Amino acid sequence: RKEVEQDPGPFNVPEGATVAFNCTYSNSASQSFFWYRQDCRKEPKLLMSVYSSGNEDGRFTAQLNRASQYISLLIRDSKLSDSATYLCVVNLLGGADGLTFGKGTHLIIQP
Amino acid sequence: NAGVTQTPKFQVLKTGQSMTLQCAQDMNHEYMSWYRQDPGMGLRLIHYSVGAGITDQGEVPNGYNVSRSTTEDFPLRLLSAAPSQTSVYFCASRNSPLANYGYTFGSGTRLTVV
Repeated sequence: RKEVEQDPGPFNVPEGATVAFNCTYSNSASQSFFWYRQDCRKEPKLLMSVYSSGNEDGRFTAQLNRASQYISLLIRDSKLSDSATYLCVVNLLGGADGLTFGKGTHLIIQP
Repeated sequence: NAGVTQTPKFQVLKTGQSMTLQCAQDMNHEYMSWYRQDPGMGLRLIHYSVGAGITDQGEVPNGYNVSRSTTEDFPLRLLSAAPSQTSVYFCASRNSPLANYGYTFGSGTRLTVV
């Protein structure tokens, strides 16, 4: 049973476009949610936490839908530097047991 | 601050050898975890710790031991290396028990077992 599912892509998107990813999670008890960014052969880096009310950080907007158990990430005005793998991450018990990672969505921004 | 430091960055082992992957953080974080990342598998939790002296198993603990004698250090021991343990290993830490704080990761150790 896959706890966190993402479309692996790749998503090929022209520079300046808007792109959105979704992620679904199987455990309704999941308490916290994150988007991480991972560049090739590098460590994951926290992009943003995801709150129930939705949150925005510059060109990035994250949404959480608890009823449907999915998380979304929207990137506006995409830059070449946005090319990376985006990992959807959930924390089941609020800190005690680590994080459950999706396999990631590969994004390629094309000039 | 150095953040989370992992050593070594690369390692080649022969089957049956043992070794310790080091992880240290200088942020006084209570929570630390070890993950492995394999192609097509995503990151999987090996062991984690919620404070000095407290450790627990994650999703894939077999073949690995951990200890947490200090807040700063969380070494991962491979008892008898197997080719299936060829992977990239990441150590991560965070301070807050609050649910919405994410982990800071080290730069990883790339391990090959031949």
